[in-house]
Amino acid sequence: AQSVTQPDIHITVSEGASLELRCNYSYGATPYLFWYVQSPGQGLQLLLKYFSGDTLVQGIKGFEAEFKRSQSSFNLRKPSVHWSDAAEYFCAVVKATGRRALTFGSGTRLQVQP
Amino acid sequence: DADVTQTPRNRITKTGKRIMLECSQTKGHDRMYWYRQDPGLGLRLIYYSFDVKDINKGEISDGYSVSRQAQAKFSLSLESAIPNQTALYFCATSDWTDEGNEQFFGPGTRLTVL
Repeated sequence: AQSVTQPDIHITVSEGASLELRCNYSYGATPYLFWYVQSPGQGLQLLLKYFSGDTLVQGIKGFEAEFKRSQSSFNLRKPSVHWSDAAEYFCAVVKATGRRALTFGSGTRLQVQP
Repeated sequence: DADVTQTPRNRITKTGKRIMLECSQTKGHDRMYWYRQDPGLGLRLIYYSFDVKDINKGEISDGYSVSRQAQAKFSLSLESAIPNQTALYFCATSDWTDEGNEQFFGPGTRLTVL
């Protein structure tokens, strides 16, 4: 069965600092990969997605993620964090065939210090 | 207006009561999903439906049932609510023509079972 691991439960960074959130997946083939953000009291918003092609994908709000097949990773990055980025971030995968439902990681809560 | 709506947004109920959560969408998508979110566990799939006549169990379907009344409506029922069903519930939709199966989420329903 596929699985997604986000090893960092909680991360705190200073405003203006760079950010990297880790995501590793376990799946026999390359799945489709997503990063979602959930602001406090809100639903989920898609930040970016990877299906194929260029392994560095750009998303909204200045985020990017890099797919590394050899490491089964899809880490999310941002060069300069803003206070409004404080939220919970979820990595998710979906198989290319079958039910196509998302499998989510457990999430990483980001706190931004002034 | 929101593309994916959920009602109610908040609900407090007692153990043993029957509860229905409703989801409606105006995106014209054929696929609909129900997830629950628990702290530290991310989102987990309860049920999914690829069209009105195609309903499938997800990874945590015990204690839940669903009804796809129309393409645009997908309801989740708890026949006899129990406290460990206290969670945040999300409905999501996707388009079968979308290779990556990007999912669009509703705002969530916060359910508390006393």
